[in-house]
Amino acid sequence: EAQVTQNPRYLITVTGKKLTVTCSQNMNHEYMSWYRQDPGLGLRQIYYSMNVEVTDKGDVPEGYKVSRKEKRNFPLILESPSPNQTSLYFCASIDPGRSNTEAFFGQGTRLTVV
Amino acid sequence: KQEVTQIPAALSVPEGENLVLNCSFTDSAIYNLQWFRQDPGKGLTSLLLIQSSQREQTSGRLNASLDKSSGRSTLYIAASQPGDSATYLCAVKGTASKLTFGTGTRLQVTL
Repeated sequence: EAQVTQNPRYLITVTGKKLTVTCSQNMNHEYMSWYRQDPGLGLRQIYYSMNVEVTDKGDVPEGYKVSRKEKRNFPLILESPSPNQTSLYFCASIDPGRSNTEAFFGQGTRLTVV
Repeated sequence: KQEVTQIPAALSVPEGENLVLNCSFTDSAIYNLQWFRQDPGKGLTSLLLIQSSQREQTSGRLNASLDKSSGRSTLYIAASQPGDSATYLCAVKGTASKLTFGTGTRLQVTL
């Protein structure tokens, strides 16, 4: 079954304590991306990766890091979380070369920074 | 820069009504458009995908249309049910595989 798996689903942390949200896909997709969703602002792209070791900033990259050491995994790293990073985060996996395949999303990670 | 707008932002209808949700986008150079459903605080459920070369797609009571040249898509829901209550999002896939989302239409179907 095609799947994008994010962990954890829920996370409460304190300001400044480094954290990592993991994302893994089993479809051998080259393209992966992270989004955050905030009320009234919709989903906004944080970072994306076109392939292993190829990453680039999206629309709201400040305060985030990513890595792509292997095709299936694309972790999101918050080196020093702040309360304005409290949000619902989604990881996406897409087959970039085809227009007839849908984007797949993880179940989301609800992050609260206090 | 691609911008996606969804109108209306919220909609309340009685059970059984047919309804139309609208999505418009500013850059017609898209690969496809995807409609999602999202329940409060939950993940995204893919409903329909329309390729840029297609005019419409159907799945059960749902029908999505695409007019790429005018930058518009509609999601038609027939015979609405309370279980259809959710937020509906459209997203366009553009260059570099980037998905750009609208802010959604929050639908409430009342008994």
